Amino acid sequence: GESVGLHLPTLSVQEGDNSIINCAYSNSASDYFIWYKQESGKGPQFIIDIRSNMDKRQGQRVTVLLNKTVKHLSLQIAATQPGDSAVYFCAENIGYKLSFGAGTTVTVRA
Amino acid sequence: NAGVTQTPKFQVLKTGQSMTLQCAQDMNHEYMSWYRQDPGMGLRLIHYSVGAGITDQGEVPNGYNVSRSTTEDFPLRLLSAAPSQTSVYFCASSSGALTGELFFGEGSRLTVL
Repeated sequence: GESVGLHLPTLSVQEGDNSIINCAYSNSASDYFIWYKQESGKGPQFIIDIRSNMDKRQGQRVTVLLNKTVKHLSLQIAATQPGDSAVYFCAENIGYKLSFGAGTTVTVRA
Repeated sequence: NAGVTQTPKFQVLKTGQSMTLQCAQDMNHEYMSWYRQDPGMGLRLIHYSVGAGITDQGEVPNGYNVSRSTTEDFPLRLLSAAPSQTSVYFCASSSGALTGELFFGEGSRLTVL
């Protein structure tokens, strides 16, 4: 079964607003998480990762937060743009295997 | 630098037919893997390889075979296709088995009638 899961299957965001995509995991021993973006008709693309020795990591317009106490992580996208419309997956690295959640579809409204 | 290349992009098979999905990467990556993606679900790992000559099963390996004779290539074989194998298949590679930064191909859409 799925070890990581997203809270909402869809998210509609006004252009320019911030987006927050949430993900929960079940294994308290999990120590490495990754976010991917998949545009329509394409393969997933790496966005950012975080290890359990960190609570927060920032990239270009994206921030990932990890709360180990409640086994929750989130991806924040600042100033959402039309090009951010995609399906977003959280994934958990377990040894040599990457386990993906079901995905959240983000739609950006003009 | 082409990255990860999958062929074919589309394929229709009849139940019981066999075929091979090809995957090649030109990044000298040691780790390669195959995923399938079904509507409303995330990607599920079929098989993976941590280096030439080494393969192992993922979450959903039944009905699929793989081999890794070279660093560059990682073909996925369906020996006797079933309608349940209708899916989009993605090949991915990374520089190491313990990094989560996978590079994915564009996908191969397979329909089994």
